[in-house]
Amino acid sequence: AQTVTQSQPEMSVQEAETVTLSCTYDTSESDYYLFWYKQPPSRQMILVIRQEAYKQQNATENRFSVNFQKAAKSFSLKISDSQLGDAAMYFCAYRSQGAQKLVFGQGTRLTINP
Amino acid sequence: DTGVSQDPRHKITKRGQNVTFRCDPISEHNRLYWYRQTLGQGPEFLTYFQNEAQLEKSRLLSDRFSAERPKGSFSTLEIQRTEQGDSAMYLCASSLSSGGGSYNEQFFGPGTRLTVL
Repeated sequence: AQTVTQSQPEMSVQEAETVTLSCTYDTSESDYYLFWYKQPPSRQMILVIRQEAYKQQNATENRFSVNFQKAAKSFSLKISDSQLGDAAMYFCAYRSQGAQKLVFGQGTRLTINP
Repeated sequence: DTGVSQDPRHKITKRGQNVTFRCDPISEHNRLYWYRQTLGQGPEFLTYFQNEAQLEKSRLLSDRFSAERPKGSFSTLEIQRTEQGDSAMYLCASSLSSGGGSYNEQFFGPGTRLTVL
């Protein structure tokens, strides 16, 4: 079974600075998808960014980018120019190519200091 | 608002009681998912439907849990004889199948927080 590990329970960053959240996963599959989800306090989870395993190019979405290292099974999220609205729980998730369920990590709570 | 909605948002019940939660997916979405999230943890998959068919169930979904999606639209999740360990946030998500193994984003609802006393 696939597992996802987020080793940083909490992170904090100064507003306008850059922060990187770590995620590693374990799988024997070659085709899969990886995601970062954001869960603000008392609000629903939203997708931040996704990466298809067959793509070598790292995904970017505005201030959010990933560093996907397939051989190392690592998938980190970089948030540039951090904003107060970025404060949330961030979850890394895995989905097999032929499956529907998401497998989530434990989450990282990100605090933005003004 | 055309997002995923869940009702109720909060439920407090006594141990041994039955509870039922409802999820209304985004209208054109044919796939619907249930996840459970305990405090300080990531969501865990429970089950998913494609239209009205329940295609996968996690072993976390014990005999006390049952989910339905009778007309392929809204879904209900019932927990019978609740236990304190059932206390959690129950999340619903929906997506639009585009065929094969292609990517289809799951959109999450706000969740139902269950507290079992």
